[in-house]
Amino acid sequence: AQSVTQLGSHVSVSEGALVLLRCNYSSSVPPYLFWYVQYPNQGLQLLLKYTTGATLVKGINGFEAEFKKSETSFHLTKPSAHMSDAAEYFCAVTYGAGSYQLTFGKGTKLSVIP
Amino acid sequence: DGGITQSPKYLFRKEGQNVTLSCEQNLNHDAMYWYRQDPGQGLRLIYYSQIVNDFQKGDIAEGYSVSREKKESFPLTVTSAQKNPTAFYLCASSIMYAQAQETQYFGPGTRLLVL
Repeated sequence: AQSVTQLGSHVSVSEGALVLLRCNYSSSVPPYLFWYVQYPNQGLQLLLKYTTGATLVKGINGFEAEFKKSETSFHLTKPSAHMSDAAEYFCAVTYGAGSYQLTFGKGTKLSVIP
Repeated sequence: DGGITQSPKYLFRKEGQNVTLSCEQNLNHDAMYWYRQDPGQGLRLIYYSQIVNDFQKGDIAEGYSVSREKKESFPLTVTSAQKNPTAFYLCASSIMYAQAQETQYFGPGTRLLVL
């Protein structure tokens, strides 16, 4: 069964500091990987996704993520945190080939300290 | 503007009552989904529909029912058999189901509370 682990349910960074949110997946076949962001009491918005090709994926709002097959990881980064980045972030995985369901991690809540 | 609408934003359920959550999309997407979100649990799939008049159970379908009579609509009923219904419910859609790389687009959610 596919699974996603997000390390750290809560991460705090100072404004202007590097943001690093960790995501590891379990897989025996190539995955499709997604990062979503959720602001309080709202739906989810896609930040970026990896399907095939370039392993470094750029998304909206200055975020990017790198697919590392050897480490089964897809960590989300942003060089400089902004107050508006405070939200909850979800990593998700699917594999296709008969199983098209998205499996979500439990989420990481990001706080940005002024 | 194209998108997904969910109503109501807040819904209160009394003991033994069935309630229905609305989800409408004007994106012309074939596939639609219902998720339940609990604090610290991520999102869990309740039901999904690949096409009109078809739907399949997800991981936590017990106590819920759905219908898909129109392409743009996928209502979710929380029945009295669901003993712990308090949660945030999210509806989503995607162009197709059998395309793993397709993005799922989410509605704003409905928060269900038990009186």
